[in-house]
Order: sequence, then structure tokens, then C-alpha cells
Amino acid sequence: LAKTTQPISMDSYEGQEVNITCSHNNIATNDYITWYQQFPSQGPRFIIQGYKTKVTNEVASLFIPADRKSSTLSLPRVSLSDTAVYYCLLRTGANNLFFGTGTRLTVIP
Amino acid sequence: DTAVSQTPKYLVTQMGNDKSIKCEQNLGHDTMYWYKQDSKKFLKIMFSYNNKELIINETVPNRFSPKSPDKAHLNLHINSLELGDSAVYFCASSQSPELRETQYFGPGTRLLVL
Repeated sequence: LAKTTQPISMDSYEGQEVNITCSHNNIATNDYITWYQQFPSQGPRFIIQGYKTKVTNEVASLFIPADRKSSTLSLPRVSLSDTAVYYCLLRTGANNLFFGTGTRLTVIP
Repeated sequence: DTAVSQTPKYLVTQMGNDKSIKCEQNLGHDTMYWYKQDSKKFLKIMFSYNNKELIINETVPNRFSPKSPDKAHLNLHINSLELGDSAVYFCASSQSPELRETQYFGPGTRLLVL
């Protein structure tokens, strides 16, 4: 049973801000929302995690509305090296881990 | 030093064979995981161990048997390999199974069953 829904792909020009939204209508009270990045032939790499409102680190920002039924990963001024697949992960309790299907971001020169 | 390492990186084998994939983490983490990534890139949890104890066992054929000899290692043994087992298998680790803990992934093992 899929717990999250993301766009399959997105294109963006270099230097633009990219926003990727993940839907998680059945999110539970204790769930955390985590985003990972994956390059070809590599394992997923942690980007950012949040529970509610806004979280920012040196790489990205994560916006979570009050109802927490969705979240938006924001990448400021993307570069060609940001071309990758981005996964929205909903951690539902200690024994359930659901990765979304991923969004393939292509950054165009 | 590689934080989470897997061997082998590539594995090509015939149907019906038995094979093992090894995973080691040098991060001092208590929790380790095995994921399967299919051709459509969908990542799915298979197993999780915390302090060598199995805590997650998703719907996986019993041909797959994980073993954790110590906290730093989680190996995956697969019996009677089938064509549908072809995928990329990722090992990961985290400090604990708590929700807020970040998972660190290995480079993956690409398994091809012929």
C-alpha cells in the first residue's frame, strides 16, 4: 500500500528554485517526513527531515502545512549536479518504512 | 573510510543458486536494514535488525534469510534464486530505530539472475 505520492519527473533550468511536493494523506500523529536524494548507481543520501512547519539546512528547506497531509522539498538555485531522484519517506511507527516512488529531477543548462 | 559497505557490488548468477550479500557499517550504529530496489526504482524495506535482533520482517519469501553476527554486520542469504530476485539490494544503518534517526545507505549490490 503506497503511503506517499510524488510527481514522477520534473525539469528545471540551472539557477532556479525547485519545489517537489509529496502527498501523504494518511500520515499518523507520530510520523516524521524525510527526504532522500539518489544518484545513479549509488545509495540514497539523506537531505532533510521534519515533523511540522518549516525546516531548513544548508542544502534544502522542507515545508509542512498544519494538516501535515503533504510536504514540499525546496532546493534553492539548483545546479546540474542536483540531477537525481528524490524520495519522500514517511516513517510510520518503528516497524514500517515507506519510500515513495521518487521524483526524477533533471536540471537543464 | 566507507561508512556502510556492501560486497559484492555486482552479482550475476544462475537460477536455483544460493548466494550471500554482506554488509558492514563502521558508524557504531545499533540498527541495520536491507532494502530492495526494483527496476522501477521503488525502494522497499525487507528486514531490520536492532542490536542483532530482528525488528522488521516484511512480506519476503523465506528464501531470504538475514543474519546479524554482530551489530556492525547484517548479511543477506538468498536460497534458490529466481529471475524475479534480480534487483539492487541496499543495506542501511541508523543510530537507533527511532523515527527521527537518519539512515545511511551503502552503495548497493546489483543482483542479476539468469
